[in-house]
Amino acid sequence: GEDVEQSLFLSVREGDSSVINCTYTDSSSTYLYWYKQEPGAGLQLLTYIFSNMDMKQDQRLTVLLNKKDKHLSLRIADTQTGDSAIYFCAETGSNTGKLIFGQGTTLQVKP
Amino acid sequence: DTAVSQTPKYLVTQMGNDKSIKCEQNLGHDTMYWYKQDSKKFLKIMFSYNNKELIINETVPNRFSPKSPDKAHLNLHINSLELGDSAVYFCASRLGTFAFFGQGTRLTVV
Repeated sequence: GEDVEQSLFLSVREGDSSVINCTYTDSSSTYLYWYKQEPGAGLQLLTYIFSNMDMKQDQRLTVLLNKKDKHLSLRIADTQTGDSAIYFCAETGSNTGKLIFGQGTTLQVKP
Repeated sequence: DTAVSQTPKYLVTQMGNDKSIKCEQNLGHDTMYWYKQDSKKFLKIMFSYNNKELIINETVPNRFSPKSPDKAHLNLHINSLELGDSAVYFCASRLGTFAFFGQGTRLTVV
């Protein structure tokens, strides 16, 4: 079946690195995504990784993919208070193109 | 010039009423979706349309009826609203790899 799991909460201090983890079950997913949801707002596509890659870096964001363990992580370097949000991991299920989301990780950044 | 726009942003209504949420995308995408986000922030797909045709219908009560008059619009009509329908409803559109979401409609049934 299709399932995506994330821890629910992470608290860090401003300037520290944040690491948000995700596990998924559908090994046929071509892409894996990270979306960000700020309070009262919609979902913003933050970054993504193609399934044949194991790392992707985009400015302060680093995505690591361990396809064997079906584990995805998002590292945010030099975390800022503006990074406080809910972060959703997602995979595309089967061949339908629908996104299967994790439960979301609430990132709290303390000044 | 918002890419995916939903109206209204907030909707408060009484149990038993019928209401509609509208969604429009100006990205030229072929595929559109409705997702429901519950009070625990869990996001679940409800429907997907490709070029005005229904391609995904997850286990959703038949009180929910999507309608796609053209490929730029996907509206969601809900009959006989129940308390449990209170949630944030997100419209999204996709072309190829990436899906883009609207700002959401917060529906509160009282």
